[in-house]
Amino acid sequence: QQQVKQSPQSLIVQKGGISIINCAYENTAFDYFPWYQQFPGKGPALLIAIRPDVSEKKEGRFTISFNKSAKQFSLHIMDSQPGDSATYFCAASGTSGTYKYIFGTGTRLKVLA
Amino acid sequence: GAVVSQHPSRVICKSGTSVKIECRSLDFQATTMFWYRQFPKKSLMLMATSNEGSKATYEQGVEKDKFLINHASLTLSTLTVTSAHPEDSSFYICSARGRAGPIDEQYFGPGTRLTVT
Repeated sequence: QQQVKQSPQSLIVQKGGISIINCAYENTAFDYFPWYQQFPGKGPALLIAIRPDVSEKKEGRFTISFNKSAKQFSLHIMDSQPGDSATYFCAASGTSGTYKYIFGTGTRLKVLA
Repeated sequence: GAVVSQHPSRVICKSGTSVKIECRSLDFQATTMFWYRQFPKKSLMLMATSNEGSKATYEQGVEKDKFLINHASLTLSTLTVTSAHPEDSSFYICSARGRAGPIDEQYFGPGTRLTVT
């Protein structure tokens, strides 16, 4: 019940295309869902985050879609660029207690020039 | 704002020795710090959660006597790997949660690559 399932494990997209990464959770107590981008040898950097009271959030080329009833959320990267090539992690946490994150398994994105 | 630093970025130590990794929140007070371990091409695994001035809470399977965590101030937490073994070689990442932004947002450090020979 504490797991966050992420797919696909890897993704190859042409430059200018849309990259879509999906995550699913089971614990209905989760109410904060961030996405992180990580380059090799670096720490994760927050991209965008959403709470369950909205179904979509957009920041620049990054959009989170959230389906509360299905307990799923996804990251869409529009106009994907080679510089977006990185590993992406979704996470989930509750806003009480320790606020610790449960991370997905990660998606390695490669955008072809 | 909301910058977290780690020191050192890379460290090589011999088996049996101890090594300390520092995590600092540079421009905000971190009420909670988290320590993660990441294996190559794997996700982040939470090791422990520490609140300033209190003992760390370790995740199941993490040896608290081996991975000593101290959160002495609102801007500094340290992870000491004691009696290091080659299997402790990994990428260690800290994060901090505090008053820099949304209450549930964590800010991650750049990570420390530990190699035990």
